[in-house]
Amino acid sequence: DAGVTQSPTHLIKTRGQQVTLRCSPKSGHDTVSWYQQALGQGPQFIFQYYEEEERQRGNFPDRFSGHQFPNYSSELNVNALLLGDSALYLCASSSPFESGYTFGSGTRLTVV
Amino acid sequence: GESVGLHLPTLSVQEGDNSIINCAYSNSASDYFIWYKQESGKGPQFIIDIRSNMDKRQGQRVTVLLNKTVKHLSLQIAATQPGDSAVYFCAENPSYAGGTSYGKLTFGQGTILTVHP
Repeated sequence: DAGVTQSPTHLIKTRGQQVTLRCSPKSGHDTVSWYQQALGQGPQFIFQYYEEEERQRGNFPDRFSGHQFPNYSSELNVNALLLGDSALYLCASSSPFESGYTFGSGTRLTVV
Repeated sequence: GESVGLHLPTLSVQEGDNSIINCAYSNSASDYFIWYKQESGKGPQFIIDIRSNMDKRQGQRVTVLLNKTVKHLSLQIAATQPGDSAVYFCAENPSYAGGTSYGKLTFGQGTILTVHP
């Protein structure tokens, strides 16, 4: 059984560009959360999706947006990239029938 | 605001020793806590969790202790092995309701555990 799958694994973008990151949750999980992890820091919550709607949001600007599809997979979009957006972006999935959150290996985004 | 912090940013131990990693949290409303292990280039890996109605929970070689009076959490690893070397994070969720995984996790900055053979 595959866990959380994220793509791509690495990405290099130029300032001002837009990027889309993808996440497939663990089988049986219906809730997807996105986190940003800067080097040497703990993950910071961006937002959570459930039933194709944003259920909760952290302190991130509107440049960060997302989507959840009927199959529970999710996308994270970041517009007008800044150098400070360089980070590891983690997707976590969860289920009401299972405790904890399962994380993917992340997408390493570098903005130059 | 909410915050979860760690007392020790680094911890070095010898193989076979017991390790203790500490964590302080500031949100007294937090109901659910998780310890994660993160190896280089990987996402956080679930180790053990504990609800606020418990003060101790044991897993395989790991024990989590929760002291709500002083808002302190610790992870004990017995017979530490080189494969335990990683960054350890505690995380809290103030909106975990029953079996529903809802809301954000707030992570601390992490403790780097190094195990010497």
